Amino acid sequence: DQQVKQNSPSLSVQEGRISILNCDYTNSMFDYFLWYKKYPAEGPTFLISISSIKDKNEDGRFTVFLNKSAKHLSLHIVPSQPGDSAVYFCAAKNEKLTFGTGTRLTIIP
Amino acid sequence: KAGVTQTPRYLIKTRGQQVTLSCSPISGHRSVSWYQQTPGQGLQFLFEYFSETQRNKGNFPGRFSGRQFSNSRSEMNVSTLELGDSALYLCASSLGDLPNQPQHFGDGTRLSIL
Repeated sequence: DQQVKQNSPSLSVQEGRISILNCDYTNSMFDYFLWYKKYPAEGPTFLISISSIKDKNEDGRFTVFLNKSAKHLSLHIVPSQPGDSAVYFCAAKNEKLTFGTGTRLTIIP
Repeated sequence: KAGVTQTPRYLIKTRGQQVTLSCSPISGHRSVSWYQQTPGQGLQFLFEYFSETQRNKGNFPGRFSGRQFSNSRSEMNVSTLELGDSALYLCASSLGDLPNQPQHFGDGTRLSIL
């Protein structure tokens, strides 16, 4: 039962443009959401998080949006840079952290 | 500030053996969680320890066990290894004393079962 879904396994974006990564969840008990970035041969790196009482959180080039009624989460990266090329995981927390299967983002120079 | 340290980085075992993986959390972090990452399943939660007690547990068989020491370092043990246990095992730490705190990951132990 995949409670957190990232339906796009891959995404390619031109450098300088906006990257939008999407995530859907099914469990309405999730109260905290996070995005992680992962490079090959490294562990996931925490990017940004949002509590369920908010609908937007911004940190530099990264903005996370939460639509609770649609059970949808998105990460916006503006402007996209070549170093952003990585696999991005969304995660949702109730008592434990549940991860999506990841989206591979490729930034084209 | 040193990050989460996992040892060893790579390990090769054969079916039926047992293995112990180690994780040293970020200084001051009291919560340690373990995850299994496989290509088909993504990151799957194994268990979480806080102050030497298991606080949460995922849906893995009893062959997977863990413990946490008084200095917050944690070990994970897998007994009677199976081919399907080949995976990247990740450890993550957080302060753990408040509900919504991000977890910080180590670089993992790559376990291969022959």
